Amino acid sequence: GEKVEQHESTLSVREGDSAVINCTYTDTASSYFPWYKQEAGKSLHFVIDIRSNVDRKQSQRLTVLLDKKAKRFSLHITATQPEDSAIYFCAASMNYNQGKLIFGQGTKLSIKP
Amino acid sequence: EAAVTQSPRNKVTVTGGNVTLSCRQTNSHNYMYWYRQDTGHGLRLIHYSYGAGNLQIGDVPDGYKATRTTQEDFFLLLELASPSQTSLYFCASSAGYAEQFFGPGTRLTVL
Repeated sequence: GEKVEQHESTLSVREGDSAVINCTYTDTASSYFPWYKQEAGKSLHFVIDIRSNVDRKQSQRLTVLLDKKAKRFSLHITATQPEDSAIYFCAASMNYNQGKLIFGQGTKLSIKP
Repeated sequence: EAAVTQSPRNKVTVTGGNVTLSCRQTNSHNYMYWYRQDTGHGLRLIHYSYGAGNLQIGDVPDGYKATRTTQEDFFLLLELASPSQTSLYFCASSAGYAEQFFGPGTRLTVL
C-alpha cells in the first residue's frame, strides 16, 4: 500500500529564516497532499494542501511544492515566527479512497530566537 | 463551539478490560475517522465511515471495532484491551476528499 515518508524527524531554524520539510510517497495514483500542524499538547489542524493538477500552491508564508516525477512534495515556511514551532505532518490520498489519508511520521520544527 | 468532540479525554484501564471511546461531530460531514498517534509512527488509521451504519477498515484495525450510529456519532471499541493499545486516539471528520477536522484526542493507558 501507499507509504509516506518524512525525511526530517526534527528541524531547528532561527526566527526569521525559512524552513523546508520534505516528504516522499510511493503510489503514483496519489493525487491529494495535505499538511497538518500539531502544537505542543494539542490536536492537529489543517494548514495547506495541494492537488496533483498543480505543482505549487502558496498561502501567505506557506508554500507547497509537488514533484510528481520524483513523488516528492515539500512545505516551505518563510519568515518563521515562534508560533510556527510545532510538529508538521504531511499526508497523501488517492481519489477513490474517499478521503482516506496516509500520514508521514511528523517533523518537529523548533524556531530559535 | 468545538465541531469535533471526544470523550473521555483520558482513560486508564487494565489488560483485558473493555473500553469505548466516543466521538461526536457537528460539521454535518459524512466521513469520520479514528486514528492512533504513536511516536515515530505519525497517525495511523484504525477505522473510518462514510455515514451512519457504514464501516470501513483502516490500516491498523486489529483489536478494534467501530460503530457509526448516526451521522454525528462514531465509537471505537476495545473489547480486550492490551498494553500495545496504549496510545493517543484522535477522531476526525471531513466532507470526503478534503480537509479533515480533528477532535481534541483521548489518551488511553492500558496497564
